[in-house]
Amino acid sequence: IQLTQSPSSLSASVGDRVTITCRASQGISSYLAWYQQKPGKAPKLLISAASTLQSGVPSRFSGSGSGTDFTLTISSLQPEDFATYYCQQLNTYPLTFGGGTKVEIK
Amino acid sequence: QVQLQESGSGLVKPLQTLSLTCTVSGGSISSGGYYWSWIRQHPGKGLEWIGYIYYSGDTYYNPSLKSRVTISVDTSKNQFSLKLTSVTAADTAVYYCARGPSGYGNWFDPWGQGTLVTVSS
Repeated sequence: IQLTQSPSSLSASVGDRVTITCRASQGISSYLAWYQQKPGKAPKLLISAASTLQSGVPSRFSGSGSGTDFTLTISSLQPEDFATYYCQQLNTYPLTFGGGTKVEIK
Repeated sequence: QVQLQESGSGLVKPLQTLSLTCTVSGGSISSGGYYWSWIRQHPGKGLEWIGYIYYSGDTYYNPSLKSRVTISVDTSKNQFSLKLTSVTAADTAVYYCARGPSGYGNWFDPWGQGTLVTVSS
């Protein structure tokens, strides 16, 4: 299953609302996760099952969607949120990731 | 809390075998419930799942790498390992080990810090 993220990069300011989309090549129900990766670090799980926020993840992060179209929203961008975000489908082997969305400071 | 740490050779010659080990602390691989995976990231690129192993030795490999990959487990040392044969420059990447999938879902959490493997003569 191929995952296409858009945009591939974006520039935003602190306090902005940011939305990242992930489109699957076939329906995957709600079997999608989101990760955050900062430079030189391993990815960190933010959201599982499309919308379940992991423990300790700020509530400004939210996920939605099902089927083929999914979104990750950051309601008010904070300085520590500048990073690259990846989606991953949980539905079918082999497990696959989207190409990433880099969130940069405007 | 569970932590993972990769170790192994950071430089491998073309056509040789890449070997990495992941040491798990804060939890036992033998306790079950989780598979243990290898994932790689080419420089400046996205993520590619390589495969997983269960404490029993059951494995699943990504078909794109299946012919060259072996993942093994040593429960006595609480470690699992990756071998990738006949490497080329295209195998240069940061290699991560991670916990997952599990019965809860096919995500990965937590991850090791990653180790860069360069294929070069």
